[in-house]
Amino acid sequence: GNSVTQMEGPVTLSEEAFLTINCTYTATGYPSLFWYVQYPGEGLQLLLKATKADDKGSNKGFEATYRKETTSFHLEKGSVQVSDSAVYFCALTNQAGTALIFGKGTTLSVSS
Amino acid sequence: DARVTQTPRDKVTEMGQEVTMRCQPILGHNTVFWYRQTMMQGLELLAYFRNRAPLDDSGMPKDRFSAEMPDATLATLKIQPSEPRDSAVYFCASGMGDRDETQYFGPGTRLLVL
Repeated sequence: GNSVTQMEGPVTLSEEAFLTINCTYTATGYPSLFWYVQYPGEGLQLLLKATKADDKGSNKGFEATYRKETTSFHLEKGSVQVSDSAVYFCALTNQAGTALIFGKGTTLSVSS
Repeated sequence: DARVTQTPRDKVTEMGQEVTMRCQPILGHNTVFWYRQTMMQGLELLAYFRNRAPLDDSGMPKDRFSAEMPDATLATLKIQPSEPRDSAVYFCASGMGDRDETQYFGPGTRLLVL
């Protein structure tokens, strides 16, 4: 079945540094891909998504491109802020298209 | 601003007691998901419903957990009897199913079983 692997954290950066969080997937067919973010004490929030190959999702300065050739959906941001400190989850639709499969999450900590 | 709501936000109970968690999905959403999050296991999908019918509950311990949707505006997750290992944060999420796979999460119920 479909699966997703994301880099383990924690990732620790200084404010204004460049961020990359790697995510690769294994899938049958053409799943949609997602990044969710979870701030302390809250539920997951959709950050961005892409529904087909070569699509780029973007939001709040974050972006990720659906790369079918490398089965990847890496999350990037050019200049992180302290307020970006959170846990980031990569996800894709399951084979039936009825649910999402989440990665284990990557904790990002940004210091000023 | 439509949101998924969950009650209670926090619950402390003793081992053996029944626990009921409630979720109100976003109006118009036809798919509801229940997740459990712990430090050790991460985010686990327990069960999900579409149009109030269970689609998959293979992630749920059958002997003590049950999930239902009495109507389109309410989903419940029950644990009876509860055990200390059930301590976790339980999230409900809703979505529009085939039209959009995006899931919208509630704030969670933090459960502590003593």
